[in-house]
Amino acid sequence: DTEVTQTPKHLVMGMTNKKSLKCEQHMGHRAMYWYKQKAKKPPELMFVYSYEKLSINESVPSRFSPECPNSSLLNLHLHALQPEDSALYLCASSQDRRRSYNEQFFGPGTRLTVL
Amino acid sequence: GENVEQHPSTLSVQEGDSAVIKCTYSDSASNYFPWYKQELGKRPQLIIDIRSNVGEKKDQRIAVTLNKTAKHFSLHITETQPEDSAVYFCAATGANNLFFGTGTRLTVIP
Repeated sequence: DTEVTQTPKHLVMGMTNKKSLKCEQHMGHRAMYWYKQKAKKPPELMFVYSYEKLSINESVPSRFSPECPNSSLLNLHLHALQPEDSALYLCASSQDRRRSYNEQFFGPGTRLTVL
Repeated sequence: GENVEQHPSTLSVQEGDSAVIKCTYSDSASNYFPWYKQELGKRPQLIIDIRSNVGEKKDQRIAVTLNKTAKHFSLHITETQPEDSAVYFCAATGANNLFFGTGTRLTVIP
């Protein structure tokens, strides 16, 4: 399996809802990432997990809560989001963040709309 | 941190012509430079990458060049086809994170 998968593909939620995004990879990668991408912009790094431990949090608001239950799974829990949080949320993985050449593979993304 | 600049922001070429996209980076410690192609509504897909110990790499119609001294790298697409139309992002790896350029929207006119 050489893909990163994400569910759901689309999500519409109200500002009071709680929802979760899921990401999965079975390539044996030990680094996983969450990115946020607004229209016509590059992906923007949110969180990095390395060996199931959170290693980077790019000053993301607490209404976004990441979780890495095991080396293959990455979740992003959403609560009390704002309309400006509407975006494409991309998950990525790489073999090992400590490697010099760290090729990242992206999932198809979850298109999130906050009403 | 790393800062990656990308030009042009939009590029239109006739089918069969070549397209060149240029990026500069700021961190001399960056050592890995991937290029991603992103079609509308889809994931970024790695199309080619280059490591800092190599000056040029080619894969069929796509080539990338790297000038470490000047801190710039470029993507070259030859014999462009309509399916090459997409947004292209360059990136540089600094501190083991990817820093993306702002993207180039390439349109290949049939």
